[in-house]
Amino acid sequence: DAKTTQPNSMESNEEEPVHLPCNHSTISGTDYIHWYRQLPSQGPEYVIHGLTSNVNNRMASLAIAEDRKSSTLILHRATLRDAAVYYCILRTWGGGADGLTFGKGTHLIIQP
Amino acid sequence: ETGVTQSPTHLIKTRGQQVTLRCSSQSGHNTVSWYQQALGQGPQFIFQYYREEENGRGNFPPRFSGLQFPNYSSELNVNALELDDSALYLCASSTGDPSSYEQYFGPGTRLTVT
Repeated sequence: DAKTTQPNSMESNEEEPVHLPCNHSTISGTDYIHWYRQLPSQGPEYVIHGLTSNVNNRMASLAIAEDRKSSTLILHRATLRDAAVYYCILRTWGGGADGLTFGKGTHLIIQP
Repeated sequence: ETGVTQSPTHLIKTRGQQVTLRCSSQSGHNTVSWYQQALGQGPQFIFQYYREEENGRGNFPPRFSGLQFPNYSSELNVNALELDDSALYLCASSTGDPSSYEQYFGPGTRLTVT
């Protein structure tokens, strides 16, 4: 399986933008890039996913490098509620039966 | 719309015992996946059920088994419990549509094996 590499932890201030990087140098053409986050004492929740083009939704933006070997999850204005572990996951189209492969993720700390 | 629910919330078992964990999927979802999350680690995929059949499995031994019922709720059974089985067990439901990637997770069941 193609793997992802993320920093163990990052720290940011409340109301500032946060850029969470993810490297996936062995990504294949059919791999989608997914982001999930896990708030304390909760199950993971879906954030966003994309294939080649940048994506925006109400929670975040996903910027994908032109060669697709890296991506960045952007939280435009962090709040204390955004403190969580963020997971970058590759998933092959149609590979739903394989489940999600989580790494250790990035522990995002938000300072008030 | 009811989200994914799991029961019980917490459970303590003794090594060698058997345990059953339960999951109710989100309305309209026919696929349920189970994950094991050890402390400080990301969740690890155990298996997935689609329309009452197991259709995907991670690297877990056969003593981890499951069921899915006609209403798409699911059970995870673990036999001959070991100390390393202590973890948070997460259930996630989805539509099973390969174009729909979003999985909805429940809050988990915390299992402690002593």
